[in-house]
Amino acid sequence: NAGVMQNPRHLVRRRGQEARLRCSPMKGHSHVYWYRQLPEEGLKFMVYLQKENIIDESGMPKERFSAEFPKEGPSILRIQQVVRGDSAAYFCASSPEQGQYFGPGTRLTVT
Amino acid sequence: QKEVEQNSGPLSVPEGAIASLNCTYSDRGSQSFFWYRQYSGKSPELIMFIYSNGDKEDGRFTAQLNKASQYVSLLIRDSQPSDSATYLCAVNPLGSSASKIIFGSGTRLSIRP
Repeated sequence: NAGVMQNPRHLVRRRGQEARLRCSPMKGHSHVYWYRQLPEEGLKFMVYLQKENIIDESGMPKERFSAEFPKEGPSILRIQQVVRGDSAAYFCASSPEQGQYFGPGTRLTVT
Repeated sequence: QKEVEQNSGPLSVPEGAIASLNCTYSDRGSQSFFWYRQYSGKSPELIMFIYSNGDKEDGRFTAQLNKASQYVSLLIRDSQPSDSATYLCAVNPLGSSASKIIFGSGTRLSIRP
């Protein structure tokens, strides 16, 4: 399967803990996008990264959220001190020339 | 005004009929337009993209773009129960795949047998 990979698929965290979500883009793609989807809502752009660079983080909350895409390894979306409002599906996408292709998502539940 | 607007539905269409999904966008400079299908609990799946005014057909799907009216639509011919899903309209305002996509909130489509 050469598609976008995300793990874990489901993640449960207690309030105040840290959540780490990982994304490996499609083979040959070096652009990664993170989106968040709250229940019954549309997808909201969070951040766009290339290898070792954050290109656009205009959708990232100012606090507690960070993202990286190192030279080696997957892209990581990190949420510190999670709160119940962080419960959502987090999708990663990578892009060839046309459109963006999504991974299966990580469903984060904060208890 | 939302950047990408869709009627949330649900839109109910009988099996075999044409389903018509509509979308408007606010950024007149937008260049690339996409339709994604999302089944409940699953990730969005790209089904169509269109860049030029007019129609683009792919199997049972036709995307229509009218930049003057800032309007994009998706037609699904011979609707099947398996087409029941949420359809997301998306716009790339900067005209390049290498930038964020703005999504509408989606239209829920239900195909009744």
